[in-house]
Amino acid sequence: NAGVTQTPKFQVLKTGQSMTLQCAQDMNHEYMSWYRQDPGMGLRLIHYSVGAGITDQGEVPNGYNVSRSTTEDFPLRLLSAAPSQTSVYFCASSLGQNQETQYFGPGTRLLVL
Amino acid sequence: GENVEQHPSTLSVQEGDSAVIKCTYSDSASNYFPWYKQELGKRPQLIIDIRSNVGEKKDQRIAVTLNKTAKHFSLHITETQPEDSAVYFCAVEGSYIPTFGRGTSLIVHP
Repeated sequence: NAGVTQTPKFQVLKTGQSMTLQCAQDMNHEYMSWYRQDPGMGLRLIHYSVGAGITDQGEVPNGYNVSRSTTEDFPLRLLSAAPSQTSVYFCASSLGQNQETQYFGPGTRLLVL
Repeated sequence: GENVEQHPSTLSVQEGDSAVIKCTYSDSASNYFPWYKQELGKRPQLIIDIRSNVGEKKDQRIAVTLNKTAKHFSLHITETQPEDSAVYFCAVEGSYIPTFGRGTSLIVHP
């Protein structure tokens, strides 16, 4: 099993550009989520999904969109990048919505100029 | 939703000392309490967890204790080593999606 994979590992964007961060898992996990990690702020939830076709907002959803057309994939779209979105982004998955270990991807480091 | 507070935010110890990190939570329905370790530049990974029907769990040098009445749980690391240096996150799960603490940066000085 590859576990949770993310691409790209590192990306530089200009303000106003759009892009998609890819996340995939091969563990047949129902629950997937996206976090951003900023110094001193811990892991903040952006969006999550409890299964294919179902998504919901987390703590900091503004400026991001998600979709979940398959169990395996959960891409995160930045609509119009802003410097405030400079961060490290982690995708995570677990077997169910609660009481389950979260498995994190390796992260995507995003710099918005 | 759940509210999780984690203390301290930074912890500096000498090699061989013990380290304790504490988390408090608000929702009495929460019943799963994992701890994640994140080394510099790496992803968070589970190191130990505890469920609400257990008061303490040990795995070699690490242990977690849970006080459901007071709604707090703690991570204990004994005989710390330089490779224990990392950021540690607690999490709380129950009727809501997982909620993470803000993290504790543990520095172990040789």
